[in-house]
Amino acid sequence: QSALTQPASVSGSPGQSITISCTGTNSDVGGYNYVSWYQQHPGKAPKLMIYEVTNRPSGVSDRFSGSKSDNTASLTISGLQAEDEADYYCSSFTSSGCRVFGGGTRLTVL
Amino acid sequence: EVQLAESGGGMVQPGGSLRLSCAASGFTFSNHEMNWVRQAPGEGLEWVSFISGSGYPMYYADSVKGRFTVSRDNAKNSLFLHMTSLRSEDTGFYFCAREDDTAMVAFDLWGQGTLVAVSS
Repeated sequence: QSALTQPASVSGSPGQSITISCTGTNSDVGGYNYVSWYQQHPGKAPKLMIYEVTNRPSGVSDRFSGSKSDNTASLTISGLQAEDEADYYCSSFTSSGCRVFGGGTRLTVL
Repeated sequence: EVQLAESGGGMVQPGGSLRLSCAASGFTFSNHEMNWVRQAPGEGLEWVSFISGSGYPMYYADSVKGRFTVSRDNAKNSLFLHMTSLRSEDTGFYFCAREDDTAMVAFDLWGQGTLVAVSS
């Protein structure tokens, strides 16, 4: 059960778009459309932002979108806002039935 | 109100045991698969364990397999994590997380976490 690979940090200016990648294997990300993304602000519980690769829960801004190609999933945030500054984590189902998270990406809004 | 509330954390010596609880309210608990997720101070999220709505099957991260046991009591809307042979690397916040009843690996409801500190 190796953690999915995410960049440690990304940054962007208000109004810009950024993309966070999440790389796994064909036993997790590449094998199933069960990738989700979470936003976590300091001292808070994570919040579900995207599930099943592309779906947004009710109440999540349409500035957040997800995609997947082969073994890499991506989260794109468009029209960056100050409140988007947070840690972001991807998660995937695995062939063993387990779940796995990525190492996390810190987003800085410049 | 729809919520999860963890309890049972605390300080324990290496090799010791602890039992965490997660009380669910505001939804039909038995309809949802549940997970434990932990986060060491200043570190990322680590998935720990899964249990189906019926109580079987259960799955564990390699780092806790053989030491931790997940269970649930649907009649009492409660989830548990029995942790034994605790190590310093088990230190962190432990969150219970609900999976959406129609979408796998969509952790749509989280508790606020309970802190476990393993130290001599």
